[in-house]
Amino acid sequence: DVKVTQSSRYLVKRTGEKVFLECVQDMDHENMFWYRQDPGLGLRLIYFSYDVKMKEKGDIPEGYSVSREKKERFSLILESASTNQTSMYLCASSLASGTGTDTQYFGPGTRLTVL
Amino acid sequence: AQSVTQLDSHVSVSEGTPVLLRCNYSSSYSPSLFWYVQHPNKGLQLLLKYTSAATLVKGINGFEAEFKKSETSFHLTKPSAHMSDAAEYFCVVINSGTYKYIFGTGTRLKVLA
Repeated sequence: DVKVTQSSRYLVKRTGEKVFLECVQDMDHENMFWYRQDPGLGLRLIYFSYDVKMKEKGDIPEGYSVSREKKERFSLILESASTNQTSMYLCASSLASGTGTDTQYFGPGTRLTVL
Repeated sequence: AQSVTQLDSHVSVSEGTPVLLRCNYSSSYSPSLFWYVQHPNKGLQLLLKYTSAATLVKGINGFEAEFKKSETSFHLTKPSAHMSDAAEYFCVVINSGTYKYIFGTGTRLKVLA
């Protein structure tokens, strides 16, 4: 079974802090993704990475950055946390078969509260 | 551009009765479509996916979905609801030419005893 783990289930931070969310997958997947989930909005893509050190902005990248130094690990960074970044953050990974039909496997999520 | 619309934000059914969760899609190409389920405080789990093979797709836990091109729909059904089916369900289309998922806004299913 594919396993995607996230470093924290719950996190509370203060406005202005730098926040790191870590994600690790164990299936040698090329693609990794960060989403945020808010009620009534579904999941929105923040960033994705299709290879080590390669990244692409998603739909809502403002206020976030990412790092992928190793294939299995993808980090989401909030440079200066703000209250409007309070949300559930979900990491996912997938193969890159080239068919455009690859399943994404999700981690359990990190519920971040910024005070 | 691709998109999906989940027609109901909340659905309530009694245990043992059928479940119908509706999803319409918009796509210029033959789409790949998915249904995911999210139980409270959990990540998303794949229920089933359509990738231009059989139009009736069977998934886990007794769920199935039918791809209807003429109606641009991909509704999720289950003959008999179980209490453990209470969760949020997401319909997803893949943006053609990329790896990007486009999510619907979700349908929260409530199962009444």
